[in-house]
Amino acid sequence: ETGVTQTPRHLVMGMTNKKSLKCEQHLGHNAMYWYKQSAKKPLELMFVYNFKEQTENNSVPSRFSPECPNSSHLFLHLHTLQPEDSALYLCASSQAAGAGDDEQFFGPGTRLTVL
Amino acid sequence: LAKTTQPISMDSYEGQEVNITCSHNNIATNDYITWYQQFPSQGPRFIIQGYKTKVTNEVASLFIPADRKSSTLSLPRVSLSDTAVYYCLVGWEYNFNKFYFGSGTKLNVKP
Repeated sequence: ETGVTQTPRHLVMGMTNKKSLKCEQHLGHNAMYWYKQSAKKPLELMFVYNFKEQTENNSVPSRFSPECPNSSHLFLHLHTLQPEDSALYLCASSQAAGAGDDEQFFGPGTRLTVL
Repeated sequence: LAKTTQPISMDSYEGQEVNITCSHNNIATNDYITWYQQFPSQGPRFIIQGYKTKVTNEVASLFIPADRKSSTLSLPRVSLSDTAVYYCLVGWEYNFNKFYFGSGTKLNVKP
């Protein structure tokens, strides 16, 4: 248990569906992250929020829409996804983004399958 | 921009010491070196972090030479449960505002 929870753990959706992934951290951290991990590929950083402000969007398609209402919660809204978006989506948090000695705490991930 | 280079995979047997080396020739003065462990279908987990010389905790040791262009993660007496992917991260990419995880090293521990 890392103090970062994600729901749902598994999600199957069609290409026309709209769904949301939720992440919550109980560590008092100020930075939260969304990563995508496809099969046999390195982790890809998608979004960074630092003190509720989005500081990075690594060229992520607009069909992925993040939301950070407060420092403890992070959402990833999904709509009109493609089968190639099927992957493990990981949420992480850290004390503050940008610190070289920062340690990221990861949630268990949401396994997403797009049909 | 790949900042680190690690072996793709390594094999070991239970009870052996395993050393995984990471090259980071372009490490910056302020960069720390951090290692994470990831089991299948789980998020990575922090193992150890260091800046120079040697760091040891309850699960691993991290050796960093004086030039800091490489580092070695040492896992003493591995068990089957240490089978995982190990990632070496260096610093924070200020230009890209991220940590770069790379492909990691897949460690396979055999009985």
